[in-house]
Amino acid sequence: DQQVKQNSPSLSVQEGRISILNCDYTNSMFDYFLWYKKYPAEGPTFLISISSIKDKNEDGRFTVFLNKSAKHLSLHIVPSQPGDSAVYFCAASGSNYKLTFGKGTLLTVNP
Amino acid sequence: GAGVSQTPSNKVTEKGKYVELRCDPISGHTALYWYRQSLGQGPEFLIYFQGTGAADDSGLPNDRFFAVRPEGSVSTLKIQRTERGDSAVYLCASSFAGGYGYTFGSGTRLTVV
Repeated sequence: DQQVKQNSPSLSVQEGRISILNCDYTNSMFDYFLWYKKYPAEGPTFLISISSIKDKNEDGRFTVFLNKSAKHLSLHIVPSQPGDSAVYFCAASGSNYKLTFGKGTLLTVNP
Repeated sequence: GAGVSQTPSNKVTEKGKYVELRCDPISGHTALYWYRQSLGQGPEFLIYFQGTGAADDSGLPNDRFFAVRPEGSVSTLKIQRTERGDSAVYLCASSFAGGYGYTFGSGTRLTVV
């Protein structure tokens, strides 16, 4: 039973456009959400996070939106750059520091 | 060190053999985590250390898996009687005092043949 779902295995966007990556969760005990970025042969790198008391968190080109009633979060990247091409993982935690990850979305940004 | 170091980067072993995977966390990080990433999946939690003790080992799949962190720094994940289904990338991460923004290592790719 997948508690964190990333339903799009891949996404392709043009450089300069917005990339929107989506994530859904089922466990209402989750109260902290994170996005990680992963390049081939490297470990995941922390990108941005959001607490359940907020609905938006922004860091430069990256913004995460949280809709608690829908149990949905999204990561927006604006503008997208070719170097953003990677696998993006959504992760969630129920305040015990154990993360539950989705399967990931492969983002390709075309020049 | 500057980052989380995992050795070896690749390990091929025969079914039934014993393997040890090593993790060197970032200096000063008291929390250490092991995750496993199978092909096409996201990382799955195995075990969490706070200092020398395992604070949460609920993710270890069975008693063939064991992890230690005797001095609160380096950790070793030990797998006995390996099976083909154990093939995966084993990721180690560390953080200050259990903070969420883990720093992951590059992983050890284990292949059981």
